[in-house]
Amino acid sequence: ILNVEQSPQSLHVQEGDSTNFTCSFPSSNFYALHWYRWETAKSPEALFVMTLNGDEKKKGRISATLNTKEGYSYLYIKGSQPEDSATYLCARNTGNQFYFGTGTSLTVIP
Amino acid sequence: KAGVTQTPRYLIKTRGQQVTLSCSPISGHRSVSWYQQTPGQGLQFLFEYFSETQRNKGNFPGRFSGRQFSNSRSEMNVSTLELGDSALYLCASSLNRGYQETQYFGPGTRLLVL
Repeated sequence: ILNVEQSPQSLHVQEGDSTNFTCSFPSSNFYALHWYRWETAKSPEALFVMTLNGDEKKKGRISATLNTKEGYSYLYIKGSQPEDSATYLCARNTGNQFYFGTGTSLTVIP
Repeated sequence: KAGVTQTPRYLIKTRGQQVTLSCSPISGHRSVSWYQQTPGQGLQFLFEYFSETQRNKGNFPGRFSGRQFSNSRSEMNVSTLELGDSALYLCASSLNRGYQETQYFGPGTRLLVL
C-alpha cells in the first residue's frame, strides 16, 4: 500500500492557538517524508525534508516530527497567525517517486 | 535565481483535442516531475525526467506523454483529451534525483476540457 493519509482534512483555529496535524504512511520502503505548504493561487512551498526515525525539524513557529517505525509524522504550528492559512501537504518518497496526501486545509481566524 | 515557470497558466480545450504544456526548471536542476491534481485528489504523479530520460512513470494512460530537452526544459502532452483530464498540472524540479532533495514547484497550468 502506497497511500499517504492526512488528518484532519480541514481545520479552523483562532489566531494565537497552536495546532497540529498528522500524516500517516506505510512504514515499509521508506526513504524520506516531505512537508509542503500550499497557499491559494501560489505554488507548493517546501517546509521540511525528514529521513531519520525520531527526526525533529523546526522553521520559525512550525515544527515537525517523524516516526518511521509506526509510519507517521506530525506537523505543529505554534501561535497560529492568519498568514499560516494554507493547505499543508505531506509526501512520501520511495526512492523513485513521491506519493502525496490530500492535505490538511488550515484556516486561521483573526 | 528564477523559479520554476510553466506555460501557459490557463488553457481551455475541447474533447478529442491534444495539448502541450511546458515547464522550465530552476537553472541547474536536471530532474523534472509532473503531477496532476483534480478536485478531491492529492497530487498524482505522472512522470519524472532526468537528463532527457524518463525515469519513472505513474499510473496514467498512454495518452499522457512527456519529454525533456537538453536544457532540462520539459513538455507534457495529452492527446485525445477527455473531460476527466480537466485538472491543475504542476511540474516540479530538483537538482538531481535524490529522495532527500527538495522539489520546487511551478505555479501550474490549469486545463479545462469542455
